[in-house]
Amino acid sequence: EVQLVESGGGLVQPGGSLRLSCAASGFTFSDHYMDWVRQAPGKGLEWVGRIRKKANSYTTEYAASVKGRFSISRDDSKNSLYLQMNSLKTEDTAVYYCARRGSTGEIDYWGQGTLVTVSS
Amino acid sequence: DIQMTQSPSSLSASVGDRVTITCRASQGITNYLAWFQQKPGKAPKSLIYAASSLQSGVPSKFSGSGSGTDFTLTISSLQPEDFATYYCQQYNSYPLTFGGGTKVEIK
Repeated sequence: EVQLVESGGGLVQPGGSLRLSCAASGFTFSDHYMDWVRQAPGKGLEWVGRIRKKANSYTTEYAASVKGRFSISRDDSKNSLYLQMNSLKTEDTAVYYCARRGSTGEIDYWGQGTLVTVSS
Repeated sequence: DIQMTQSPSSLSASVGDRVTITCRASQGITNYLAWFQQKPGKAPKSLIYAASSLQSGVPSKFSGSGSGTDFTLTISSLQPEDFATYYCQQYNSYPLTFGGGTKVEIK
């Protein structure tokens, strides 16, 4: 069974940093691109970014709203995905979901999410 | 960026009704379109990919159609567990973008 479990959320002040983790199990993690998607309270879904697999040089893509502030990485030996968030703004407050990209390009599995609150 | 526009933003329907949700892309995305269901306080669930292919385990009452810029999600006979918010997403090009969502409520 595919499982994605996020952790690391919490309360952080504007301008601060936070690192989210996503532990994957039930599939060959290294074979898949991985995404982060967020959802502000009461709002819709917003794609944050993607990291490709080793065969694609672990290259990344980001939404304009986070580019230059957020960084996605992965450790295939630990079946783990990370989201390093710097220079956080109040508008980054959201539930952050880790998601797996399926073999045909779509997101096929989601984690349960972790809440990040940016507030003074 | 490709804009995804869903309509309606909300609808009220009764158990047993046939429901159709529309998603329009601001430019052609061939069939790189997915649909997700989200219930309150829960993570999204993947329903459909490639515009019309059902994810494993998704019941056949859900169906998708369309290509290019215009897509639909249809629920053939609405059941209590189907009341949720539905999102479309294009994965033709970066940045990936979602529609604003359609909330399906009980009439």
